[in-house]
Amino acid sequence: QITLKESGPTLVKPTQTLTLTCTFSGFSLSTSGVSVGWIRQPPGKALEWLALIYWDDDKRYSPSLKSRVTITKDTSKNQVVLTMTNMDPVDTATYYCAHRTGYSTFDIWGQGTMVTVSS
Amino acid sequence: DIVMTQSPDSLAVSLGERATINCKSSQSVLYSSNNKNYLAWYQQKPGQPPKLLIYWASTRESGVPDRFSGSGSGTDFTLTISSLQAEDVAVYYCQQYYGTPYSFGQGTKLEIK
Repeated sequence: QITLKESGPTLVKPTQTLTLTCTFSGFSLSTSGVSVGWIRQPPGKALEWLALIYWDDDKRYSPSLKSRVTITKDTSKNQVVLTMTNMDPVDTATYYCAHRTGYSTFDIWGQGTMVTVSS
Repeated sequence: DIVMTQSPDSLAVSLGERATINCKSSQSVLYSSNNKNYLAWYQQKPGQPPKLLIYWASTRESGVPDRFSGSGSGTDFTLTISSLQAEDVAVYYCQQYYGTPYSFGQGTKLEIK
C-alpha cells in the first residue's frame, strides 16, 4: 500500500524559506519509472503543479516558480524535500505531494499540509 | 504552456440524473506515437486531497464506480456521471500530463439540485 505524508511548518514569515518533507512508503524512488511531485492549492482555489523528481534524479519545475523552488530526494529515507525561497502571502496554500508511475499521472496523494505566510 | 478550461464552473443535478463536465485544453494532449490522451480527472471533497478517477482520458482508476466515465480526444474531453449519488458532491478537476508544466482546470463544483 502506497502512502505519502507531508510535513513542515504551518506558519512562515514573508521572505523566509519554506522547507517541506514528503515521507512515503510502499514504493521506492530508486525504481525505474517512479516519480514524486508537489502540487499546491490556495484556499478555495484550483490546484497548481510545482515540481517533479524522477527515480534517476531528473527534475522538472513550474516555470513560474523555477527560480524559487528546489526539489530533492533522499532515497534511503524514502523522502522528497521541497524548498521554496522568498515566501509571500500569496504562497499560502495546502501543499500536497503525490506518487506517479511511468508517463501516467498522480495516482496517490498525501493528505496535504497547510502553510500560511504571514508576519 | 497548456491551459485547461472547464465548463461549467458549477453544476446542480438531481439525484439519479446525469452530470456532465467539460474540459478543453489549449493544445492537443493526444500523443500520436501511442494514440493516448494525457488527460486525467480528479474528484476532491472538502478537506480531502484529490482522488484520481480517470486517466488516459477514459481509463477508470481501480475502485472507481462505473457510473463515472471519461471521453474525448485531442483538445475536448468530458467527464460523465451517469446517475448522480449523494456522495458524488465534490469539486472535479481535469489535468493534462502531456508535458510540463502540468496543468489543471479551474474546477467544477457539483451539487445536488
